[in-house]
Amino acid sequence: AQSVTQLDSQVPVFEEAPVELRCNYSSSVSVYLFWYVQYPNQGLQLLLKYLSGSTLVKGINGFEAEFNKSQTSFHLRKPSVHISDTAEYFCAVSDWDNAGNMLTFGGGTRLMVKP
Amino acid sequence: KAGVTQTPRYLIKTRGQQVTLSCSPISGHRSVSWYQQTPGQGLQFLFEYFSETQRNKGNFPGRFSGRQFSNSRSEMNVSTLELGDSALYLCASSLGPARGEKLFFGSGTQLSVL
Repeated sequence: AQSVTQLDSQVPVFEEAPVELRCNYSSSVSVYLFWYVQYPNQGLQLLLKYLSGSTLVKGINGFEAEFNKSQTSFHLRKPSVHISDTAEYFCAVSDWDNAGNMLTFGGGTRLMVKP
Repeated sequence: KAGVTQTPRYLIKTRGQQVTLSCSPISGHRSVSWYQQTPGQGLQFLFEYFSETQRNKGNFPGRFSGRQFSNSRSEMNVSTLELGDSALYLCASSLGPARGEKLFFGSGTQLSVL
């Protein structure tokens, strides 16, 4: 079984400032890692994913994340945020052993971008 | 291409009733998953279907069930509703059940149990 911890439930930041949303996971097997974003009254949208290869993954809307196996982390970063980035962000994992798309999600981080 | 469609968008039921939620995946997608989202428990996996077969099931009581039809559309059913079943139920589709596939989520059905 795996678990995902998002260390910050809320992150306030000013527009055009950099931001990092932290995610740590625990698993007894190798995992795939994902970041999803949820805008108000909408479903989730994939930002980026790590399956294998380069540990630095670039996604949509200028976001990127780095997989660190030794620290079991997958932190999400953006060098300059916009008001439109205000949303809830979810880190998720699925393990290699599972035959399917079952995801285990973290509790979410609410990013609040202020003008 | 139309996205994942969930109906109804909002639903109000009373304790003890049963409810059926519907999900139409993106055209060509054959895998459908369901998740429950609540403020307290967050996002929790319910079940996943591919080619009308349940591939995975989350840790929910037997009151929660689902099925998938030959056209890939899916329904989930909750019987004997409890207050704690109030949640946003999200459906997601993908091309297939391969590990690491991108999931496309619908906007969800907001269920309120009174």
